[in-house]
Amino acid sequence: DSGVTQTPKHLITATGQRVTLRCSPRSGDLSVYWYQQSLDQGLQFLIQYYNGEERAKGNILERFSAQQFPDLHSELNLSSLELGDSALYFCASSLAGALNEQFFGPGTRLTVL
Amino acid sequence: AQTVTQSQPEMSVQEAETVTLSCTYDTSENNYYLFWYKQPPSRQMILVIRQEAYKQQNATENRFSVNFQKAAKSFSLKISDSQLGDTAMYFCAFLPYNNNDMRFGAGTRLTVKP
Repeated sequence: DSGVTQTPKHLITATGQRVTLRCSPRSGDLSVYWYQQSLDQGLQFLIQYYNGEERAKGNILERFSAQQFPDLHSELNLSSLELGDSALYFCASSLAGALNEQFFGPGTRLTVL
Repeated sequence: AQTVTQSQPEMSVQEAETVTLSCTYDTSENNYYLFWYKQPPSRQMILVIRQEAYKQQNATENRFSVNFQKAAKSFSLKISDSQLGDTAMYFCAFLPYNNNDMRFGAGTRLTVKP
């Protein structure tokens, strides 16, 4: 158990819908990262937040957005969902920047039908 | 842009034997970090080992060690005394020093056979 929690574990929805994935980092960690793991794109970094502020952006679509709240939990919002958005979405946390070890959550499996 | 290549989609090894997983990367950066992550069937991503590019000494963590060849841009993972619990996908990852955009290889599926 990494100490990072993600909810829900599984999510099934339809195209065009909007969903919110939630992540609680390890106690004391200030950075949260979001990753997408899909069969065709592999594992991709989406976005990082540090202490409530966006710190780095990767291959995140405009339909996707994230935020980190004052209690340091983070949410990833996915809108106008397409079949290709079906993937495993990981959240990771670290003490500060990415040079600190990142601890991954168990992931949320999103299926878009 | 940085790319990470794992040329072995699948590998297998007998229990207690040694196996080496390959990873090459392409970058113009001089300072960076390299990682090997393990993803067992549970899908949890677990850090196996990390290497700072400025360190010439190869990192080791118990049965896991790396062969880091900076000039060749190669970062292989050696697993000694393989155990059944080592069965997993292994991902090589590259992190530039001044950027939090971690790049992953496509992964190598390792099966340890009893």
